[in-house]
Amino acid sequence: AQSVTQLDSQVPVFEEAPVELRCNYSSSVSVYLFWYVQYPNQGLQLLLKYLSGSTLVKGINGFEAEFNKSQTSFHLRKPSVHISDTAEYFCAAYAGGTSYGKLTFGQGTILTVHP
Amino acid sequence: ETGVTQSPTHLIKTRGQQVTLRCSSQSGHNTVSWYQQALGQGPQFIFQYYREEENGRGNFPPRFSGLQFPNYSSELNVNALELDDSALYLCASSLGVGASYNEQFFGPGTRLTVL
Repeated sequence: AQSVTQLDSQVPVFEEAPVELRCNYSSSVSVYLFWYVQYPNQGLQLLLKYLSGSTLVKGINGFEAEFNKSQTSFHLRKPSVHISDTAEYFCAAYAGGTSYGKLTFGQGTILTVHP
Repeated sequence: ETGVTQSPTHLIKTRGQQVTLRCSSQSGHNTVSWYQQALGQGPQFIFQYYREEENGRGNFPPRFSGLQFPNYSSELNVNALELDDSALYLCASSLGVGASYNEQFFGPGTRLTVL
């Protein structure tokens, strides 16, 4: 069965510092990976996705992620965070095939940016 | 372009009651997926509808049921509500099924509280 693990439940960081949110996945088939952001009392917004091709994926708001097949990881990074990046971030995977539209989500990482 | 909308935004029910949640998909999207997000957890896949047919189901009991209408809007019905059903229910729409179409656009969610 497919699973997604976010290694940090909370990440505090100061404004303008770099940040990395870690995500590992397990899957026996080809996998497609996503990062979503959720602001308080809102739905999920897609930050970026990896379907195939270049392993370095750039998304919105200056975020990027690197797909590492050998380490089964898809870590999210931003070189310089802003106060407005404070939110909860979810890593998700879609295994294709008979998984239909099922996105499997991690438990989430709360990013708090301090001034 | 209208995004995914959900109604109502909040709902309070008592144990044993039944509830219906509604979702309007984004323009041009024929696929709707429903997720349950308990407090402090990542979203869990309930089921997906593609062209008015159920196209995959997660690990939820039969008292969770759904419909998709010819205009691709959707309903989630939950019978015999239990306290553990208290959660944020998210609807997501996409252009179709399969990895290339699996960018799912999420609505703001319906917050269900069961007392």
